[in-house]
Amino acid sequence: DAKTTQPNSMESNEEEPVHLPCNHSTISGTDYIHWYRQLPSQGPEYVIHGLTSNVNNRMASLAIAEDRKSSTLILHRATLRDAAVYYCILRSRHTGTASKLTFGTGTRLQVTL
Amino acid sequence: ETGVTQTPRHLVMGMTNKKSLKCEQHLGHNAMYWYKQSAKKPLELMFVYNFKEQTENNSVPSRFSPECPNSSHLFLHLHTLQPEDSALYLCASSQGITDTQYFGPGTRLTVL
Repeated sequence: DAKTTQPNSMESNEEEPVHLPCNHSTISGTDYIHWYRQLPSQGPEYVIHGLTSNVNNRMASLAIAEDRKSSTLILHRATLRDAAVYYCILRSRHTGTASKLTFGTGTRLQVTL
Repeated sequence: ETGVTQTPRHLVMGMTNKKSLKCEQHLGHNAMYWYKQSAKKPLELMFVYNFKEQTENNSVPSRFSPECPNSSHLFLHLHTLQPEDSALYLCASSQGITDTQYFGPGTRLTVL
């Protein structure tokens, strides 16, 4: 499986934008980039995913590098409720392996007042 | 979030006990999953069910026995567990096995 590399932890002030980076230099052409987050004492929660183009939804934006070897999850205005572990995951489009979400250790985001 | 529910939320059991974890999804999905999250380790996929049929077993010891009676319910039967099996057990579901997965809150299991 293609792997991802994320910083162990990041800090942000409330109401400021947060850019969470992810490196995936061995990504294949059939891999989608998925982001999940896990709030304390909860199961993981889907945030966003993309293939080549940048994506926006109500939770966040995903910026994908032109060579697809890295991506950045952008939280436009962090709140205390965004404090969580954020996972960047590559997921193949092929049916046989697509069911597998391979979680790494993620980035623990701390948000302070 | 009421889409995927898990019971119990917390469970303490001895090594000789038999217990079951229950997962129910109210989303009309066809695929369901069991994951294990141990302290300081990434989530590990254990089992995958698609239309009630098991499609993946990631070398899980036989003391963990899954059951999927229908697309809405998933069980994990536990017997003669070891203390190292203590972990957060998470259930997830998705419309199809290529679709976004939705997770339940997990069952925190402690094996004494």
